[in-house]
Amino acid sequence: RKEVEQDPGPFNVPEGATVAFNCTYSNSASQSFFWYRQDCRKEPKLLMSVYSSGNEDGRFTAQLNRASQYISLLIRDSKLSDSATYLCVVTVSYNTDKLIFGTGTRLQVFP
Amino acid sequence: DTEVTQTPKHLVMGMTNKKSLKCEQHMGHRAMYWYKQKAKKPPELMFVYSYEKLSINESVPSRFSPECPNSSLLNLHLHALQPEDSALYLCASSLQGTDWGETQYFGPGTRLLVL
Repeated sequence: RKEVEQDPGPFNVPEGATVAFNCTYSNSASQSFFWYRQDCRKEPKLLMSVYSSGNEDGRFTAQLNRASQYISLLIRDSKLSDSATYLCVVTVSYNTDKLIFGTGTRLQVFP
Repeated sequence: DTEVTQTPKHLVMGMTNKKSLKCEQHMGHRAMYWYKQKAKKPPELMFVYSYEKLSINESVPSRFSPECPNSSLLNLHLHALQPEDSALYLCASSLQGTDWGETQYFGPGTRLLVL
């Protein structure tokens, strides 16, 4: 079983739509949680960290459920520029330097 | 300036060649990382340097040899690579590498093709 699992998509949504991505992780020692965004042929860039209390940054909302080992990302009012691959990332308490990436979920926003 | 630079952008090499990938950051970060990313796959950690010392080697074959000459520079020396080593090689840095929740900043990567 992969340490971090995501639906690979693609998710094809119209502009203005709300889209949700889910991610599950298998290691109960997972300590830090992030969503990264990666555009085609570009490097990953941090979108947001994810906290137990949930956090929001503009149109983006991230949630963490430690009991279910589940992370989510909600994007409201999708823009064309949101088209990218969204990577769910965790670190574990005994190896905090190592980012463990999910396989990524591809989002395509169309006009 | 939250920039990590990598050179070259693209590299084609034969299996008998020796080449080096370079990474540089001037953010005062003390942790630097090499990741390998194959097409349609997520990045996989190869090495971590913390305060210029190798702290993690993810069982990477010896044909990949990292070097950290100073706190701003990270090299990856390549020798006798195989075609399956063709990938995007990403460098990243973070403030210290010892604190959970630290952001890692990625460079644009070097796209390597081994013939």
